[in-house]
Amino acid sequence: DQQVKQNSPSLSVQEGRISILNCDYTNSMFDYFLWYKKYPAEGPTFLISISSIKDKNEDGRFTVFLNKSAKHLSLHIVPSQPGDSAVYFCAASGRGTSYGKLTFGQGTILTVHP
Amino acid sequence: KAGVTQTPRYLIKTRGQQVTLSCSPISGHRSVSWYQQTPGQGLQFLFEYFSETQRNKGNFPGRFSGRQFSNSRSEMNVSTLELGDSALYLCASSLEGSGGHNEQFFGPGTRLTVL
Repeated sequence: DQQVKQNSPSLSVQEGRISILNCDYTNSMFDYFLWYKKYPAEGPTFLISISSIKDKNEDGRFTVFLNKSAKHLSLHIVPSQPGDSAVYFCAASGRGTSYGKLTFGQGTILTVHP
Repeated sequence: KAGVTQTPRYLIKTRGQQVTLSCSPISGHRSVSWYQQTPGQGLQFLFEYFSETQRNKGNFPGRFSGRQFSNSRSEMNVSTLELGDSALYLCASSLEGSGGHNEQFFGPGTRLTVL
């Protein structure tokens, strides 16, 4: 049972345009969400997070939107740059005793063309 | 501040052997989590340690074990290796990890190949 889903395996965007990466979750106990970027042969790099008490969080070119009723979050990258090309993972954690456990989606490969 | 370090970076073992991987968290971070990444299953949570105690465990067989030392450094061990254990093993550290409301910072991983 995949509790966090990234339904788009890949996304191709032109440099300077907006990249929108989507993520859906099924577990209503999740209340904290994170986005990571990963290059091959490296560990994931933390990008941005959002708590369920918010519906938007912004950090520079990165904005995460959370729609709790739809159990959906998205990451917007504006403007997109070639260096943003990587695999993007969304992750979720929940209340209670989910110590140190992040549940990840399968990832979306973002390619930004010059 | 130095990031999370993992050793070794690459490892080749044969079936039936055992392996120990090491992780040093960011200074001041007390929670260490381990993940396995494979092409088929993605990133899967193995276990989490805090103050030398395992607080959480994923759905992996008992061949996978770990421990944490008083300086927060952690090791994971896989015994009786199987071909399916070939994966990238990632360690992540966070300040406290309670309820998951802390960002986790990942090391570069150890690429384990089982022949």
